[in-house]
Order: sequence, then C-alpha cells, then structure tokens
Amino acid sequence: KNQVEQSPQSLIILEGKNCTLQCNYTVSPFSNLRWYKQDTGRGPVSLTIMTFSENTKSNGRYTATLDADTKQSSLHITASQLSDSASYICVVSYGGSQGNLIFGKGTKLSVKP
Amino acid sequence: NAGVTQTPKFRVLKTGQSMTLLCAQDMNHEYMYWYRQDPGMGLRLIHYSVGEGTTAKGEVPDGYNVSRLKKQNFLLGLESAAPSQTSVYFCASTVTGRTGELFFGEGSRLTVL
Repeated sequence: KNQVEQSPQSLIILEGKNCTLQCNYTVSPFSNLRWYKQDTGRGPVSLTIMTFSENTKSNGRYTATLDADTKQSSLHITASQLSDSASYICVVSYGGSQGNLIFGKGTKLSVKP
Repeated sequence: NAGVTQTPKFRVLKTGQSMTLLCAQDMNHEYMYWYRQDPGMGLRLIHYSVGEGTTAKGEVPDGYNVSRLKKQNFLLGLESAAPSQTSVYFCASTVTGRTGELFFGEGSRLTVL
C-alpha cells in the first residue's frame, strides 16, 4: 500500500534553533517528493520538489534531502524564525500523468520566542 | 496575482442541503484538483480534471460531483450534504500533473449540521 509517514507529529523549538523533520515513504513507482508549508488557516505552499536523481535541494533556510534507496526524506530548517511555525507536509508523486499524490499527515512545528 | 481563488471561504449547511464550491485559477493551468483535509489525516483527493471538459474520480469521490466547463474554473458540488462532509476543502492547479508545482487555494471551510 502506498504510504507516506512523517515524524515527529509535532515539534516545539526555540527561535534561532535548527530542526529536522522526517518523511518515510512506501510509494511505487516513485516520481518525485515534495515538501509543503501550510500556515494555520491557509493553503499549502510548495517549498521543494525533488526527483529521483536529486538528493539535496535548498530553498533559503529550508534544505530537503532525499535518499531514494532507503525511501527517506528530511527537511532541515536552519536558524528558525517565528514565521516558521506551521505544518510541514511531505508529498510523494507516483505513476500516472495526471499526478497521483500521496500526502503525509504533516508535522506541526511551533517556534517559540 | 490572484493564483487560485476559492469561494466561499466559509459555509454552514444543514443535512440534505446542496451547495457548490467554486475554484478559479488565472495561470492557464490544465490540471485542477479538489482535496479535503480532515484533522489527523493527510489531504485526500476527491476529483480532478486534466483539462477543460474532463473530470475523473479521486480517492474519496462519493457524495460529490464536479464540472470543468471552462479551463479556469473547477466546480465541486454537494447534492445532499451529510455531516461526514464537514471538512476544509482545497482546490489546487498545476501545469503538468506528475512534475508540476501544485498551487493551492486558501481553502473553504464547510460545516454540515
């Protein structure tokens, strides 16, 4: 069964600290892996899209890694800011031209001053 | 830059009532999607469209209907609302289904009493 599992479910960190969010997937055939940021009450916004051949991709203070062999991805946030408080959703695309996507349940990050 | 616009943003219905959610995108995207987001669950695909005049069922289509009469609009209808349809609904669009970045609307929060 195609699944995307994220950990931790929630996380609280102090402003300025770094953190890493995890995503494990069992999806086949794999097409790409995406990370989205969803602020409370808003729609998800894309952070990165990684294909099979990419193992690192950065977007400002966000760095995503992908290990296609172990089917794991991580999202590292550097020097966190209060505005980083949000849910971070891992999404895996597989098969089909219409874009079949499996969404993880997300990690809720709270950054405290 | 409007992007993806959903209307209405909030709605309360009684069981058995009908309603339509409208999604409009101004990016000339071919692919459009309707998702629902429930607490503790990842986004789930209701219906999608790969172009004007086409629609297809997603993971949880029961109780919903859709239409894509114009390329820029994707309508989601509830013919007879049920409490189980209480959710936040997100519309999304993209240029290409498998690899394209997905752009989401701000969501429509529906409560069925």
